Amino acid sequence: AQRVTQPEKLLSVFKGAPVELKCNYSYSGSPELFWYVQYSRQRLQLLLRHISRESIKGFTADLNKGETSFHLKKPFAQEEDSAMYYCALLGMDSSYKLIFGSGTRLLVRP
Amino acid sequence: SQTIHQWPATLVQPVGSPLSLECTVEGTSNPNLYWYRQAAGRGLQLLFYSVGIGQISSEVPQNLSASRPQDRQFILSSKKLLLSDSGFYLCAWSPGLTNEQFFGPGTRLTVL
Repeated sequence: AQRVTQPEKLLSVFKGAPVELKCNYSYSGSPELFWYVQYSRQRLQLLLRHISRESIKGFTADLNKGETSFHLKKPFAQEEDSAMYYCALLGMDSSYKLIFGSGTRLLVRP
Repeated sequence: SQTIHQWPATLVQPVGSPLSLECTVEGTSNPNLYWYRQAAGRGLQLLFYSVGIGQISSEVPQNLSASRPQDRQFILSSKKLLLSDSGFYLCAWSPGLTNEQFFGPGTRLTVL
């Protein structure tokens, strides 16, 4: 079964602290994984995808097939990073539908 | 550039009343279209998706239905709303050839 698990509903850190948002997946094959973010009063938008191997707004995410994880990391959190973060897995058919985790709310305190 | 619209932005409806939420996309053709429900503490649940006019796939059995009467129009409907239909409904589109989905602003539905 295809599944995405985000074990933390809320993650609260202080400004400047490191952040790691956890994501684990269940998938038979080579997964394509994404992180989406929703800032307050804004639309849900793509943050990064694993195939790009890029850093966006200081965030990175590495696919670990052995641990079936795709954790989102940032070394120094900023207050503007406070948002809802969703990990997503591309489904196995041609519809390109995404399977989302339940989301983690990141709160960065001053 | 492409844009996606949803309306209404908010809706309060009594139990048993009908529902029609509309989603339209501009600036692209033959997009894949998706309806999600975002419930508190439960993340995003895919309800329906469409890869072409008149082609609708349902992901979960429920009180809702979807239609795609035009290439860039996607409608979410119900004949009789239930309390459990309350939530935040998001429409999304993707080019179909890439993996990124672009989301609309959403509709907050409250069923009383």
